[in-house]
Amino acid sequence: NAGVTQTPKFRVLKTGQSMTLLCAQDMNHEYMYWYRQDPGMGLRLIHYSVGEGTTAKGEVPDGYNVSRLKKQNFLLGLESAAPSQTSVYFCASSYSRTYGYTFGSGTRLTVV
Amino acid sequence: ILNVEQSPQSLHVQEGDSTNFTCSFPSSNFYALHWYRWETAKSPEALFVMTLNGDEKKKGRISATLNTKEGYSYLYIKGSQPEDSATYLCAFNNAGNMLTFGGGTRLMVKP
Repeated sequence: NAGVTQTPKFRVLKTGQSMTLLCAQDMNHEYMYWYRQDPGMGLRLIHYSVGEGTTAKGEVPDGYNVSRLKKQNFLLGLESAAPSQTSVYFCASSYSRTYGYTFGSGTRLTVV
Repeated sequence: ILNVEQSPQSLHVQEGDSTNFTCSFPSSNFYALHWYRWETAKSPEALFVMTLNGDEKKKGRISATLNTKEGYSYLYIKGSQPEDSATYLCAFNNAGNMLTFGGGTRLMVKP
């Protein structure tokens, strides 16, 4: 049972480049989330999804887009990367709002 | 943006000491309160999810209590061990679908 898998684990981008982070879960969870973690800021919610085909904005959505075409996958896109998007990105999933989240191992992204 | 505060920010204790930390959250529109344990170089791992005022949860030497009327939760660790060293996060879920995390309490247990 793999749980939540994030790819890639590390990436360096140049300003203005685009990329997609993939999150895959094999637990049949309805809810999926993308967070970013910055020093002194804690985990902040970027976007989330409450089911296949749905997405919603979190606390810090600007500069990111997401898609949930299949229940098991939640993609986070950066259309034009900026240095302010240098961060560690965590994906998480949950069965419902009263269940604990299962987190992926994180993606460390550096934008130069 | 909801305000979820944890105190202290960091804590150093000796092996065998018992310790506790606090999570403060808005007392209105409460839905659930989560606790996570986050070891260095790993991912956060769920400890407890509490939904009712007065809830108490226990997992081994770790326990948590919840007061939704006054907006706080305590996490207790009895007889701390070096392997308890981690950052402990609380997170507040209101009537919406978003979970807002506190900044965490970093616990270091010295052998």
